[in-house]
Amino acid sequence: EDQVTQSPEALRLQEGESSSLNCSYTVSGLRGLFWYRQDPGKGPEFLFTLYSAGEEKEKERLKATLTKKESFLHITAPKPEDSATYLCAVSMYSGGGADGLTFGKGTHLIIQP
Amino acid sequence: NAGVTQTPKFQVLKTGQSMTLQCAQDMNHEYMSWYRQDPGMGLRLIHYSVGAGITDQGEVPNGYNVSRSTTEDFPLRLLSAAPSQTSVYFCASKRDGSGYGYTFGSGTRLTVV
Repeated sequence: EDQVTQSPEALRLQEGESSSLNCSYTVSGLRGLFWYRQDPGKGPEFLFTLYSAGEEKEKERLKATLTKKESFLHITAPKPEDSATYLCAVSMYSGGGADGLTFGKGTHLIIQP
Repeated sequence: NAGVTQTPKFQVLKTGQSMTLQCAQDMNHEYMSWYRQDPGMGLRLIHYSVGAGITDQGEVPNGYNVSRSTTEDFPLRLLSAAPSQTSVYFCASKRDGSGYGYTFGSGTRLTVV
């Protein structure tokens, strides 16, 4: 059973059309929830860390929020350069050492001009 | 500041061959990890290290060995390559502390034939 589930798997938006990506998790003892961006042929790029329900973080057109069971990545007025795969990952107190991450499968986002 | 450097970028192996994937970071990060990424699956943790001389297994360690003789380097060894090890491998590093996100390398694309 997946511990981290991302939806939708793929999303196509028009430039300027705001939307949200979802990451739900079933782990207990959440140490942190992470959002990464991955461009084709490259490694994931760190975006945000969230720790507790109610926490929010922003970076340019992106805002990440966290509840007790899920996180949302809100994209406001996206531009074509925001096209990428967005990965969600969790770190657990009972999980792998070195803050080992459990990743979701990602949401492939395409922003059309 | 190069970040996390992985070599080679591409490799083709024959079944049964062995090889070492190199990973080096210049950020003096204590934590380092190896992940593999397969189509339709999230990144999965292979091995990790919390400092020089200390390593441990992640979610999918079978068929792989690691060592950490210096803070900078964390090589991943494939002992006897199998087609199931065809994947993209990412090395990542981070500072100590749960608040920091991992910095990922650009990956090694390995094909075992």
